[in-house]
Amino acid sequence: SQQGEEDPQALSIQEGENATMNCSYKTSINNLQWYRQNSGRGLVHLILIRSNEREKHSGRLRVTLDTSKKSSSLLITASRAADTASYFCATDGEAAGNKLTFGGGTRVLVKP
Amino acid sequence: GAVVSQHPSWVICKSGTSVKIECRSLDFQATTMFWYRQFPKQSLMLMATSNEGSKATYEQGVEKDKFLINHASLTLSTLTVTSAHPEDSSFYICSARFGLDTEAFFGQGTRLTVV
Repeated sequence: SQQGEEDPQALSIQEGENATMNCSYKTSINNLQWYRQNSGRGLVHLILIRSNEREKHSGRLRVTLDTSKKSSSLLITASRAADTASYFCATDGEAAGNKLTFGGGTRVLVKP
Repeated sequence: GAVVSQHPSWVICKSGTSVKIECRSLDFQATTMFWYRQFPKQSLMLMATSNEGSKATYEQGVEKDKFLINHASLTLSTLTVTSAHPEDSSFYICSARFGLDTEAFFGQGTRLTVV
């Protein structure tokens, strides 16, 4: 069963704008990971944030984690048409048998 | 990052036949690999955990006799969809991790269409 719920399910923005998507989960975690999937392809890892971290950056990506609210957000700044993809959060922890459990995903469309 | 190669990328088969999908870790040894299934515009659903040298661990609701998993070496896991039916049509993806609390590396996925 899915652990994470993502919001929004779909997002359409203009190139240059920022895109923010949220992920909520239910059980305790060791870390939370964000992945990107282009249509019909495998997933590519973006960022891993551990339960004792609150914020992490990688290039134009910024991830936050609030374990008290059991939620995380992914911000893509200055979006590009090439950022068009589906983005998934995945939780990892002993409560889920140390297996990655994926959220429903957010489909992002960046219009040029 | 590490490379996981999945083959074939797409396959069309007739109803009743079996299809084998391969997942290889190219530059590292993966004692554990994971097989997922994904329906259009939906998330990944874990089907089973493939363990090198031992039986796979299947998630609840996944038929082990339908989806045969073999992890014969540290770099290769295979998923065989037996007696495929149209409802088995889906996107199947494998992944591998170095260990607990680490990122996962995914294969390119296999689009299975059963006609």
